[in-house]
Amino acid sequence: DTGVSQDPRHKITKRGQNVTFRCDPISEHNRLYWYRQTLGQGPEFLTYFQNEAQLEKSRLLSDRFSAERPKGSFSTLEIQRTEQGDSAMYLCASSETLDIYEQYFGPGTRLTVT
Amino acid sequence: AQSVTQLDSHVSVSEGTPVLLRCNYSSSYSPSLFWYVQHPNKGLQLLLKYTSAATLVKGINGFEAEFKKSETSFHLTKPSAHMSDAAEYFCVVSPNTGNQFYFGTGTSLTVIP
Repeated sequence: DTGVSQDPRHKITKRGQNVTFRCDPISEHNRLYWYRQTLGQGPEFLTYFQNEAQLEKSRLLSDRFSAERPKGSFSTLEIQRTEQGDSAMYLCASSETLDIYEQYFGPGTRLTVT
Repeated sequence: AQSVTQLDSHVSVSEGTPVLLRCNYSSSYSPSLFWYVQHPNKGLQLLLKYTSAATLVKGINGFEAEFKKSETSFHLTKPSAHMSDAAEYFCVVSPNTGNQFYFGTGTSLTVIP
């Protein structure tokens, strides 16, 4: 059973460095979502893709954040010039077109910025 | 604007007693509503969803939720708590397009043996 996978699971970086995370959705799922979750809070929506098109972006997604899904399969989330406030769990979820509401979440990438 | 308020940050129940996790929502549209569960070191899992069909929704592991438009509520219930129910629970609202999902801050459920 291949669910949503994310890589890496943990990332420690120094402030000012760039980081990139990868998400592999369930293979037949057209929609892919990125969320950020900080300690004690619920996940916050960042952006979502329908196939390769990025259709929604949250105001939380500053200019330092960019997401891509070039072939409509895996997606990457890059954070440039990381800040300590970027420390969080970054979650990816996918869903299929026939049931857009049932999202399947990956295990997340925990980012620590020192 | 869409938002969710989970009225209790922590709930503690004894094993075998009923569970009630409260959620109120605000939505400019006819919303879809969900409950997700997050066990420690595991990914979020969908418990149940309301998408404008029956107002009483049954989910996995014996959980239910009732959509009450007049009260803008979507409370999660279970008749009898099990030790394995101990986890973090999130109420979620989405406009009917399913383009964005808004999570509450979560309710931590503790089950006392």
